[in-house]
Amino acid sequence: AQTVTQSQPEMSVQEAETVTLSCTYDTSESDYYLFWYKQPPSRQMILVIRQEAYKQQNATENRFSVNFQKAAKSFSLKISDSQLGDAAMYFCAYRSAAPGAQKLVFGQGTRLTINP
Amino acid sequence: DVKVTQSSRYLVKRTGEKVFLECVQDMDHENMFWYRQDPGLGLRLIYFSYDVKMKEKGDIPEGYSVSREKKERFSLILESASTNQTSMYLCASSFRGGPYNEQFFGPGTRLTVL
Repeated sequence: AQTVTQSQPEMSVQEAETVTLSCTYDTSESDYYLFWYKQPPSRQMILVIRQEAYKQQNATENRFSVNFQKAAKSFSLKISDSQLGDAAMYFCAYRSAAPGAQKLVFGQGTRLTINP
Repeated sequence: DVKVTQSSRYLVKRTGEKVFLECVQDMDHENMFWYRQDPGLGLRLIYFSYDVKMKEKGDIPEGYSVSREKKERFSLILESASTNQTSMYLCASSFRGGPYNEQFFGPGTRLTVL
């Protein structure tokens, strides 16, 4: 079974600086999808960024980018120019690309604090 | 915008009570999911449904059941609530086809069982 590990329960960063959240996963599959979800204090979880395993290019969404290292099974999230609104729980998630696979496997989460 | 709503933000129940948590989505998604979220454990899948009246057990189905009589509505049922079911419950929905099948989440229900 696949597992996802986020080894940093909490992180903090100064406003306007850059922070990187770590995620590693374990799988024997070659094709899959990886996601970062954000859960602000209001609790509605939203998708931040996603990556397909067969794409070598790292995904980018505005200030959010990933460093996808397939061989190392690592999928870190970089937040540039951190803003107060980035404060949230961040979850890394994995989904198989096998036909019919629908389930997400989540990591434990990292709570990010932004210091003004 | 996709909207996933849950019937309650906060719920307090007594041990042994039957508890219903309701989830409704408005985007005609085939898939619906129930997770529980606990500190240090992330989100764990309880059940999911890929069609009306169809369901599949997730990783922690014990003590829970589900019902999906209509496509837009997915209910989580605690037959006899216990204190170890005190948790945050999140509902999500997604399309079945397509490459990403992004899941959209509701705001969550914080359940306390006394």
